[in-house]
Amino acid sequence: GAVVSQHPSWVICKSGTSVKIECRSLDFQATTMFWYRQFPKQSLMLMATSNEGSKATYEQGVEKDKFLINHASLTLSTLTVTSAHPEDSSFYICSARDEGEAQPQHFGDGTRLSIL
Amino acid sequence: GQNIDQPTEMTATEGAIVQINCTYQTSGFNGLFWYQQHAGEAPTFLSYNVLDGLEEKGRFSSFLSRSKGYSYLLLKELQMKDSASYLCAAMDSNYQLIWGAGTKLIIKP
Repeated sequence: GAVVSQHPSWVICKSGTSVKIECRSLDFQATTMFWYRQFPKQSLMLMATSNEGSKATYEQGVEKDKFLINHASLTLSTLTVTSAHPEDSSFYICSARDEGEAQPQHFGDGTRLSIL
Repeated sequence: GQNIDQPTEMTATEGAIVQINCTYQTSGFNGLFWYQQHAGEAPTFLSYNVLDGLEEKGRFSSFLSRSKGYSYLLLKELQMKDSASYLCAAMDSNYQLIWGAGTKLIIKP
């Protein structure tokens, strides 16, 4: 159980393009989903916490208008990187938490984003 | 402030035992998680401790001492596939996870 699906797994696109990444909880309902970014050989960095039906909570230094998060249902959250630039190239990972706040986060497989 | 400390890198031999330590300082505490992350992949959940003591799950065990702000992950009968980064994360009073930078474990034959 507790499977999280993330698509696409790999994106290569031109600078200025907007990219949408989907995160789905397949066998449980996720009131809360999380979006992380990880640069090579660095630790996970939480970007935002997404709650179903409400606005996402962004971490300090993360631009809300650049990284649009939508959590329209209990099984789907999306992250849109708007007008992406080469410095946005990174490994983006979503996670979903089962009902109950002290539950573990289960991660999607991640999306490797490369902006040319 | 909130902080997690764990060693950056450890090396061990196939078939041996290794202990990865983690100390934490958080505003409140709602448990300690361990995750495994292979290079280029997303983390996978290994264990959760909220009470003092040792939790055993096959070759992996996790220990917690709340009074000392200390946890360890014990890996027995090491296999080459155990080469990965091991992430320690403490949950604070707001149920937010505070992540360590990870310990890269290198297994040698």
